[in-house]
Amino acid sequence: DAGVTQSPTHLIKTRGQHVTLRCSPISGHKSVSWYQQVLGQGPQFIFQYYEKEERGRGNFPDRFSARQFPNYSSELNVNALLLGDSALYLCASSLRVSDRGPNEQYFGPGTRLTVT
Amino acid sequence: AQTVTQSQPEMSVQEAETVTLSCTYDTSESDYYLFWYKQPPSRQMILVIRQEAYKQQNATENRFSVNFQKAAKSFSLKISDSQLGDAAMYFCALAFTSGTYKYIFGTGTRLKVLA
Repeated sequence: DAGVTQSPTHLIKTRGQHVTLRCSPISGHKSVSWYQQVLGQGPQFIFQYYEKEERGRGNFPDRFSARQFPNYSSELNVNALLLGDSALYLCASSLRVSDRGPNEQYFGPGTRLTVT
Repeated sequence: AQTVTQSQPEMSVQEAETVTLSCTYDTSESDYYLFWYKQPPSRQMILVIRQEAYKQQNATENRFSVNFQKAAKSFSLKISDSQLGDAAMYFCALAFTSGTYKYIFGTGTRLKVLA
């Protein structure tokens, strides 16, 4: 079975531009989370979506937005790019979101975004 | 504020030996979950072990075990019989839900395994 896939692998953008990153979860998984990992640091939680609804949000500005589609794939959008947005963007999928605690997350390989 | 602190940027261990990676956290939540993730060089992050805060028993997964001290807010990872394939960045993470989910990762510890 295919794991979590992300596209594109690498991306170079200019300050002020907009970017869309894509994620396809493992088949059968209904939850997708997005993380930003700046070089040398741990992942920072951006969003979690489950059944097309936002279920969690980290401390990121409104320039960051996301959505989940009926097939459970997801897009992360970043507007008005800043140099500080340069990072590895990770997507993780999990089977479900439960009140009994977070399910195991399976991470994708990430999209390396460079803003110049 | 919810925080996760990994005070060891880098650790080394001889092959077949045991190493312990430290993690402390701070949260005002009573219901939370703790994780250790492994990120090998240029490879995807994978879950190593998970601990529910309401469980007193320390989690174990083969050669990996944790020492969960809830009162001290400490969650260390012990790797026994270290193997070359254990070399990676290890991240401690805290997750909780109070209406919505939130995950907080530490800054990571780079583990080197010496042959």
